[in-house]
Amino acid sequence: EAQVTQNPRYLITVTGKKLTVTCSQNMNHEYMSWYRQDPGLGLRQIYYSMNVEVTDKGDVPEGYKVSRKEKRNFPLILESPSPNQTSLYFCASSPRTGPYEQYFGPGTRLTVT
Amino acid sequence: GENVEQHPSTLSVQEGDSAVIKCTYSDSASNYFPWYKQELGKGPQLIIDIRSNVGEKKDQRIAVTLNKTAKHFSLHITETQPEDSAVYFCAATDSARQLTFGSGTQLTVLP
Repeated sequence: EAQVTQNPRYLITVTGKKLTVTCSQNMNHEYMSWYRQDPGLGLRQIYYSMNVEVTDKGDVPEGYKVSRKEKRNFPLILESPSPNQTSLYFCASSPRTGPYEQYFGPGTRLTVT
Repeated sequence: GENVEQHPSTLSVQEGDSAVIKCTYSDSASNYFPWYKQELGKGPQLIIDIRSNVGEKKDQRIAVTLNKTAKHFSLHITETQPEDSAVYFCAATDSARQLTFGSGTQLTVLP
C-alpha cells in the first residue's frame, strides 16, 4: 500500500531532551516536507526537501533540523525541544518537483512539558 | 510572503444542501490552489486542485472555482452527505513554490 508513515504517533517529552520524529514514504517520491498544525493557524511548513541531500527552510524552521540521506526517509529533529513546539506534526511527500498533489502521513502529536 | 485567508471557520449545513468555502490569497504569482480534507485523527487528504490557467474544475460533487483577478478561489460541495463532515483547508503556492495554507473550515453536515 502506498503510504507515508510517521513514528512515533504520540510523544510526551521534557524541555531540552533531544528527539527525532521519523518519516518514511514507499512511493519513490522526490519531494518531502514537514508541517506543524496549530489551532486557528492551519498548517505551516517547517522544512522541505526537493531530493536527496537537498533541504530548505519553510516558514517556521527555528528549533528544527532535518536530513535527507535517503530518498524514502526525512526525519525531523528537535535538538532542544521547548513548550512552544508542542503541536501536531505532519510529514508529506509528492510525486512532483514541488508541493503538488501531496500525500500526508497520519501525524505525530508532540507535547513538550 | 503569501497570505491565505479562509472563511468561514465553521459551517453547518443540512444533508443534501450545498456548502461553499472561500479563500483569498495575496501573491499574484501563485499558480497552484489545492483543497485538502482532514478527518478527525488523520492527515489531510487532497480532494481537488486547480492551476491558474483554469477557471473551474469539477469532480463529481466537488468543484473549485478560481478568480485570478480578484485573487480568490472557492470550494463547492453539492448534495452534502454526513461523510463530508471534516475540516477543509485551502492552500496556495508562494513565490518560492511552497504551499501556504488557510486556517481551515470545520464543516458539519446535519442529518
